[in-house]
Amino acid sequence: DTGVSQDPRHKITKRGQNVTFRCDPISEHNRLYWYRQTLGQGPEFLTYFQNEAQLEKSRLLSDRFSAERPKGSFSTLEIQRTEQGDSAMYLCASSLPYRLAGLRNTQYFGPGTRLTVL
Amino acid sequence: KQEVTQIPAALSVPEGENLVLNCSFTDSAIYNLQWFRQDPGKGLTSLLLIQSSQREQTSGRLNASLDKSSGRSTLYIAASQPGDSATYLCAVTTGANSKLTFGKGITLSVRP
Repeated sequence: DTGVSQDPRHKITKRGQNVTFRCDPISEHNRLYWYRQTLGQGPEFLTYFQNEAQLEKSRLLSDRFSAERPKGSFSTLEIQRTEQGDSAMYLCASSLPYRLAGLRNTQYFGPGTRLTVL
Repeated sequence: KQEVTQIPAALSVPEGENLVLNCSFTDSAIYNLQWFRQDPGKGLTSLLLIQSSQREQTSGRLNASLDKSSGRSTLYIAASQPGDSATYLCAVTTGANSKLTFGKGITLSVRP
C-alpha cells in the first residue's frame, strides 16, 4: 500500500494559464475527494467521486474548475484561466466504500499540490 | 450549515506538559469526528476517529473525547514532546458521503 499520491507537488503558473493536477488513490478505495486549503485555513471540500461518478460539487468549484475520474481509479482536477485567488494547496483524499467501513470511514490524504499563480 | 471552530489558533507549551485542544461544531447531527495532524507544507494524517455513538478514543499518548449533544470535542496529549509540534485539525462528517468539514486548526509548538 503506497498511500495516496499527487502530482505535481508544486506548480507555479502565470495568471490565465490552465493547470491540471493528478491524484492516485489507494487502490481498493472507491471514494475520492478533492479539497482546497489556503494559508491559515482548514481544508475546504471541493468535490467527491464514488467510482467514476462525480456525486457532489461545492459552490467553491466555479465553472473554471473541472474534475474527472474516468475509470474510477485516478482523478484529475483542471483549473482553466487561473487567477491569483486560486493559489492554494489542493489536497486529494480517498476512502473505502461506505458499505465496508460505515461510520468508521477514515479519509487518507495525499501530500497535496501547492499551486502558486503569479 | 455546519461550522467547526478551534480556539486558540496557536499554542506554545514546554516539553512534558499535558495539554488539551478544543473543537466545537454547530450541528450535532454528525456521523463522526476526526482529529488530524498536519506538518508544515504537508498533507493530513488521521490521528483518531470517534463515531457519533462513541464518547472517546485513545491511541498512545492521545485521547479524544466527544460530547455530541453540546457540540464539543477535545484532544488530550499526554507528556508532550517537541515532535508533537504541528497543526491539529478537527473535522466532522454529517452525511453518508463522508465529506469533511474542518476547523482552521490549532498550531502547537512544544518547546524543548
